[in-house]
Amino acid sequence: GENVEQHPSTLSVQEGDSAVIKCTYSDSASNYFPWYKQELGKRPQLIIDIRSNVGEKKDQRIAVTLNKTAKHFSLHITETQPEDSAVYFCAGGGSNFNKFYFGSGTKLNVKP
Amino acid sequence: DVKVTQSSRYLVKRTGEKVFLECVQDMDHENMFWYRQDPGLGLRLIYFSYDVKMKEKGDIPEGYSVSREKKERFSLILESASTNQTSMYLCASSSFGEGEDGYTFGSGTRLTVV
Repeated sequence: GENVEQHPSTLSVQEGDSAVIKCTYSDSASNYFPWYKQELGKRPQLIIDIRSNVGEKKDQRIAVTLNKTAKHFSLHITETQPEDSAVYFCAGGGSNFNKFYFGSGTKLNVKP
Repeated sequence: DVKVTQSSRYLVKRTGEKVFLECVQDMDHENMFWYRQDPGLGLRLIYFSYDVKMKEKGDIPEGYSVSREKKERFSLILESASTNQTSMYLCASSSFGEGEDGYTFGSGTRLTVV
């Protein structure tokens, strides 16, 4: 099956700085890579996703890049704000009944 | 507009008890999933279902079973609860096909087994 690894496990940045979270995957059949944000005590929410036929996708301050050859994808958050503080999960999969494998999560702390 | 509902937010059960966790979705999704979430381990798939009465084991099915008698409802059963099953349990659903919207998650059930 798929194996998704995520780094770093914790990330602390100053408000206004950029944050980058990186993930690798093992199964070349994976074709869909969503990112979820989970605020304390709340459910994970989809924030951005990318398909295997696209190299980059942006949505305001958030962008995701995908390198299929190297099997890695990254989340980029620019101009971070305190409300960006949360745990972020990457995931890969989609080829088998939309089953996803999740990374271990990155706790992002944005300091005011 | 809550779309995936888990019946309990917090649950405390005794070792050896049979525990039922219920999940209901109102989006007519074919696929439903049960994950457990533990610090440092991310989300690990316990079981999933792609149709009524169909179920597939995930990565950590031991000690669990599931039931899907209706499309909108997916139940996770702990046959004999143990302390190592203390965790946050998340239910999710998705539509069949391209997975365009990823998962919609429930709010989670924090289960403590004492």
